[in-house]
Amino acid sequence: LAKTTQPISMDSYEGQEVNITCSHNNIATNDYITWYQQFPSQGPRFIIQGYKTKVTNEVASLFIPADRKSSTLSLPRVSLSDTAVYYCLVGDNSDYKLSFGAGTTVTVRA
Amino acid sequence: NAGVTQTPKFQVLKTGQSMTLQCAQDMNHEYMSWYRQDPGMGLRLIHYSVGAGITDQGEVPNGYNVSRSTTEDFPLRLLSAAPSQTSVYFCASRPTGGLNTEAFFGQGTRLTVV
Repeated sequence: LAKTTQPISMDSYEGQEVNITCSHNNIATNDYITWYQQFPSQGPRFIIQGYKTKVTNEVASLFIPADRKSSTLSLPRVSLSDTAVYYCLVGDNSDYKLSFGAGTTVTVRA
Repeated sequence: NAGVTQTPKFQVLKTGQSMTLQCAQDMNHEYMSWYRQDPGMGLRLIHYSVGAGITDQGEVPNGYNVSRSTTEDFPLRLLSAAPSQTSVYFCASRPTGGLNTEAFFGQGTRLTVV
């Protein structure tokens, strides 16, 4: 599994855009990039997945440059309810062992 | 659609006691796994299964046993609980194959060993 590096924590205010960058220098050709969100006292929840360029859904956008050695999760106009831990995972469908690092704790303030 | 259901939600054990954490999913997923999460840390993989009758060890398997007799159920057994096993336990399932690697997690079991 490709190793990922992401910031430990980020602070933001309501209404701002939050961008979390994840580094994955040894990403393999078949690997996808997946982000999960975890609220306190809950299990992680899938947010978004991508392979290259840009992916957008109702929750977030995922930007992946051409070399795929990093990716950026973008949360538009965050609210207090977006306070959570965000995990970046890299792997392909044969990777049964999903590896969750410490994640990035995002704190949104009023 | 219940998704992944874990029971119990909370449990207090005395050192040396045994118990089974239950996990059931109704999505016909082949792959299931157990994680533990300690305060301020990420999830660590305990055991996983890629189908009925097939299990394997994860990152931190010591002190835990699993079995997978059906696609739906994947119980985690603590044979002799220790204070170091105080943690929050999450069960997850996901389909194998295809492009979708989305994993679905249960709500967790908060275990305290005294």
